[in-house]
Amino acid sequence: AQSVTQLGSHVSVSEGALVLLRCNYSSSVPPYLFWYVQYPNQGLQLLLKYTSAATLVKGINGFEAEFKKSETSFHLTKPSAHMSDAAEYFCAVRSGGYQKVTFGTGTKLQVIP
Amino acid sequence: DAGVIQSPRHEVTEMGQEVTLRCKPISGHNSLFWYRQTMMRGLELLIYFNNNVPIDDSGMPEDRFSAKMPNASFSTLKIQPSEPRDSAVYFCATLAAGVYNEQFFGPGTRLTVL
Repeated sequence: AQSVTQLGSHVSVSEGALVLLRCNYSSSVPPYLFWYVQYPNQGLQLLLKYTSAATLVKGINGFEAEFKKSETSFHLTKPSAHMSDAAEYFCAVRSGGYQKVTFGTGTKLQVIP
Repeated sequence: DAGVIQSPRHEVTEMGQEVTLRCKPISGHNSLFWYRQTMMRGLELLIYFNNNVPIDDSGMPEDRFSAKMPNASFSTLKIQPSEPRDSAVYFCATLAAGVYNEQFFGPGTRLTVL
């Protein structure tokens, strides 16, 4: 079984401040983890993914995430928020060769000027 | 590649009418997923196919919903009869074989049932 928990359905940060979006996972086998972003009226697009090659993963638009097995976490960070980062972010887990991907409930990021 | 193609992008219909949503996957992707997104329930997996075969349809809300994948390049999601509570954005996503791969999402179909 696999599941994902995203803490905080809404997060607000000031422009230029650190962005931290939290994700914890549960998986019975080594997981593959993903962060997706959804801009208004668009589909989801991949930000970054963890595939066991490196625990710190860098993605597009300056985002990165660190896989911590001991904490079963895969939190998303960005050092300095930009207005264009305002969107909804989804964490997702895929267990091994299983095709099914389980998504979290999403976190809406608001960036305050 | 054009990515995942969905049609129509918007659909407005009246309660009781049949609605058919269409999806063309990325060439070479052998898994296809249908999702529904609403404010109340978020992103829900309805059904997914692997090599054109339905693998898990436990998310299909009720018998009014049906999905088919007659070949590797086309899938449909049908609602008959439609109800106002079916109003949502429906996404199709596809996945290539391989353990490290991610899903690619289409732009979605916004369905409004009056």
